Amino acid sequence: AQKVTQAQTEISVVEKEDVTLDCVYETRDTTYYLFWYKQPPSGELVFLIRRNSFDEQNEISGRYSWNFQKSTSSFNFTITASQVVDSAVYFCALSVDGQNFVFGPGTRLSVLP
Amino acid sequence: SQTIHQWPATLVQPVGSPLSLECTVEGTSNPNLYWYRQAAGRGLQLLFYSVGIGQISSEVPQNLSASRPQDRQFILSSKKLLLSDSGFYLCAWSVLERTDTQYFGPGTRLTVL
Repeated sequence: AQKVTQAQTEISVVEKEDVTLDCVYETRDTTYYLFWYKQPPSGELVFLIRRNSFDEQNEISGRYSWNFQKSTSSFNFTITASQVVDSAVYFCALSVDGQNFVFGPGTRLSVLP
Repeated sequence: SQTIHQWPATLVQPVGSPLSLECTVEGTSNPNLYWYRQAAGRGLQLLFYSVGIGQISSEVPQNLSASRPQDRQFILSSKKLLLSDSGFYLCAWSVLERTDTQYFGPGTRLTVL
């Protein structure tokens, strides 16, 4: 069975601070995919990134960066120079077959002006 | 470009009443379709997914059902709502060739009283 843990329930930072959202996953499969989604107050889920288990290269996209470490089963997400618009709930998710997704409980990020 | 629609956006229903939530996708053919539920303060739970017309897979036994009468239409139903059915319902789609990435609709907020 697969499991995704996001230990941080809520995080508050002041604008321009860097913040890292933790994600730890469990699976016995050697092939799997990891995702991050953003859920703003409007409710819809916004796809941010997908990584497969064979690619451990870290990725940077603007102020967003992701650190994938298979040794610790972690896929952490860092926002650099946070902005108020980054305030949202962020979900980490895991899929081993591309059909069934297991989502973590989410981390609510509040960026204060 | 592809777009996904859900309606209604919000719904308040009494216990025991029927339910019908609709999801439609535009701009793609033969998508995989998914229904998720997000209970208050919790992560997402996959309810149903469909790989084609009339093909429905259920992940969690419950009093909900799903149907796919057309290629790009996915309906979530219930004959008698329970209080525990309250939540935020999200529809998602993925292309057949890339089922590992799902894109979500705006969601329907259901309150059962």
